Amino acid sequence: DTGVSQNPRHKITKRGQNVTFRCDPISEHNRLYWYRQTLGQGPEFLTYFQNEAQLEKSRLLSDRFSAERPKGSFSTLEIQRTEQGDSAMYLCASSARTDPNSPLHFGNGTRLTVT
Amino acid sequence: QKEVEQDPGPLSVPEGAIVSLNCTYSNSAFQYFMWYRQYSRKGPELLMYTYSSGNKEDGRFTAQVDKSSKYISLFIRDSQPSDSATYLCAMSAMGGNNRLAFGKGNQVVVIP
Repeated sequence: DTGVSQNPRHKITKRGQNVTFRCDPISEHNRLYWYRQTLGQGPEFLTYFQNEAQLEKSRLLSDRFSAERPKGSFSTLEIQRTEQGDSAMYLCASSARTDPNSPLHFGNGTRLTVT
Repeated sequence: QKEVEQDPGPLSVPEGAIVSLNCTYSNSAFQYFMWYRQYSRKGPELLMYTYSSGNKEDGRFTAQVDKSSKYISLFIRDSQPSDSATYLCAMSAMGGNNRLAFGKGNQVVVIP
């Protein structure tokens, strides 16, 4: 499978704990995006990487959230001191380097439940 | 006002009917328009991708963009039960880091 891969698929955690999600983009895609989707809503942009550089962050990305893409390949999204409002589907997407407006391809997401 | 408006009301149609979905938007800078299909507990899957105004057809799917009215549509002909899913419109501006603005999505149920 050469699509965007996300792990874990599901994560249940207690309020106050830290969680980390991983995303492996499509091979050779240099652009990587994180989105969050709550029930009944469309995905909302969180942050964007071009290679290893984090070029844009949404106001939704509070200081409890941090994302990295250390070698320009896979990316991690960490949420510290989770809150119940963090419960959502966290989606990763990637797009090709050749066309800055090439369409985004999404993974199947990590569903986070904070109890 | 949200950048992208999509009436999220569920839509039930009999098998074989034409499904018509639409979105409106407020940002004149949007140039790229997409429709994604999302099955339950899965990520969005790209269906249609168009640039600027006009029509695009791919099999049973037709996407229309009317930039003068800031209105986009998706038509599904000869709908099948396997088309039952949530359909999300999305759009982006040129040079905007390809950041997508999504509608809320329409849940479509095709009844056999």
